[in-house]
Order: sequence, then C-alpha cells, then structure tokens
Amino acid sequence: YELTQPPSVSVSPGQTAYIACSGNMLGHRYPCWYQHNPGQSPVLVIYEGDKRPSGIPGRFSASTSGNTATLTISGTQPVDEADYYCQVWDNDNMVFGGGTQLTVL
Amino acid sequence: QLKESGPGLVEPSGTLSLTCAVSGGSIASGNWWNWVRQAPGKGLEWIGGVYHTGHTRYNPSLESRATISEDQSSGYFSLELTSVTAADTAIYFCARKMASGLYYGLDIWGQGTTVTVSS
Repeated sequence: YELTQPPSVSVSPGQTAYIACSGNMLGHRYPCWYQHNPGQSPVLVIYEGDKRPSGIPGRFSASTSGNTATLTISGTQPVDEADYYCQVWDNDNMVFGGGTQLTVL
Repeated sequence: QLKESGPGLVEPSGTLSLTCAVSGGSIASGNWWNWVRQAPGKGLEWIGGVYHTGHTRYNPSLESRATISEDQSSGYFSLELTSVTAADTAIYFCARKMASGLYYGLDIWGQGTTVTVSS
C-alpha cells in the first residue's frame, strides 16, 4: 500500500495550510498524521482520521474523502514549520507517506 | 516514557542491536511497541512492532533481517537487524501505539538514537 504526499507546502503566517495525502480508498482507512522536526521525536497530531490527541492545538484538523486525506492547520504559526507525515495501517503493517515539508514564511 | 540505547556504530555485515526501556508504564499494558527509523534525508520508515503477547509484525522490506522482542519482566523491548549496510544508517526511534485498535497512531516516542554503519 502506498501513500503519496507533496514534497513541500508553503504558507504565510496566520494563513491556513493544507497538506494532502493520497492512497487507494484512503477515506476508509482513517489515517494518522505526525509532525516531525529534525532532531526531535515525531509527534502524533491526528489519529483515527480526524481526532486530536490531548495537548494538540485546535488549529490542527483533518478530513478524508475518497482517496485523499487532508491535514489542515488554521492560523499557521512559525512553530508549525516541520515535516508532516500521513500514516495508515495495512494488514497490521504500518505505512508512512513520504512526508511534506511545511514552510511558514 | 521510552528511551533507546545501543551502539552508535555498527560494522557493515554486522548486527544492529537496540533496546527501548519503558518507564512509567508496562509493556503488558496491551499496546503494540514499535521501531521506526529515519535515514539521512529520507522519511519515516516503520521497521516493525511487538505486542505484549510476543506477537510480532514487520515491514515486508525488512522482515528477513529484523527481529523484535519484548521482556516484560525487565520492562524493555528490543530490535535486532542483521547483515547491515550503509543503507541502515539512520536515527532509530522506539514508539508506543496508543491503543490496540486499527486506527490508532504512535503517541509516545523515544528521543531516538543515531546508528551509523561504517567500518
């Protein structure tokens, strides 16, 4: 199973960032999303398609439809600049997308 | 909390061995315990995981070389990767799956440990 993400997305501070992830029937797989800053541990920001773990700011949201999942960051802040990965479970195997580098400028 | 440990340098064709210490909780808590790596300039790659019963799952691309095990009495789980090459140079993370359901993610991660394969 493969997940495809754009390599990079740019957004201005305060604007909304959209990060896409595509895969076959992705809407039925309820993907997770991770934020990863180089040199740090990844952080789970979305699970089960659209749920935020405790401590994740409300500006992070996600949705899925058909073959595409979208991570939305509203009112993007400079601290949100990071790599973002979508992830699903396929037959008990974990699959990551290739990652999207979000630049806030 | 999770904390990885192990050699930072492994010789080519050798075996990479890492452990992940679980503190503040129990391996027997019903979660999957996983290993994920990131090679330089690359994305995240799942290596595999172990359930508290000892059941394991592996990335098909690494299954022939990887072994993940758990030691509940000692509170850690381990990764062994055989026949390593320079392509196995990466930051290795251990991580806990937040629950045993199908759509849950990895909510607790170790700080990561860098492993370099070189002679």
